[in-house]
Amino acid sequence: EDQVTQSPEALRLQEGESSSLNCSYTVSGLRGLFWYRQDPGKGPEFLFTLYSAGEEKEKERLKATLTKKESFLHITAPKPEDSATYLCAVPGTASKLTFGTGTRLQVTL
Amino acid sequence: SQTIHQWPATLVQPVGSPLSLECTVEGTSNPNLYWYRQAAGRGLQLLFYSVGIGQISSEVPQNLSASRPQDRQFILSSKKLLLSDSGFYLCAWSRTGSGTDTQYFGPGTRLTVL
Repeated sequence: EDQVTQSPEALRLQEGESSSLNCSYTVSGLRGLFWYRQDPGKGPEFLFTLYSAGEEKEKERLKATLTKKESFLHITAPKPEDSATYLCAVPGTASKLTFGTGTRLQVTL
Repeated sequence: SQTIHQWPATLVQPVGSPLSLECTVEGTSNPNLYWYRQAAGRGLQLLFYSVGIGQISSEVPQNLSASRPQDRQFILSSKKLLLSDSGFYLCAWSRTGSGTDTQYFGPGTRLTVL
């Protein structure tokens, strides 16, 4: 059974204080890893897909990286508008996704 | 471009009442469709998925059912709601074919069962 674990559960940063979120996974043959952002009361918004170890993708202040056992979402010089819950997920059969429980990020001034 | 709609946005229902949540997708054809539930402080739990009209797979035995009467319409239903059915319900779609296609989510429906 696919498993996804995210850490930390919650993270509080000051504006400009860079950090990383972790997503570790156990799957029988990785076929990709997804990162989403979810604002309170809204549906998850797609950020990145990573397909192979060593791959990196960037979007504004976010950079996602992938190894054979985990993925990191690096946040460089965050701003308050980056505050959200970040979810990672791995695909199983029939495009079904197994999600982690997310990391709640709060960025303060 | 593709758009996914869900309604209602919020719903408060008494225990034992029926439920019908609707999801529609625009701008694509023959999508895979998904229903998830997100309980407070927990991850997204896949409830149902559909690869075509009338084709529904259930992931979790429960008080809910799903139907796909049209290509881009997905409905989540219950005959009698339980307190434990409260949560945030999300519909998602993906392109058919590859098993690793991105899922795109709707805005969600907040259901409170009293």
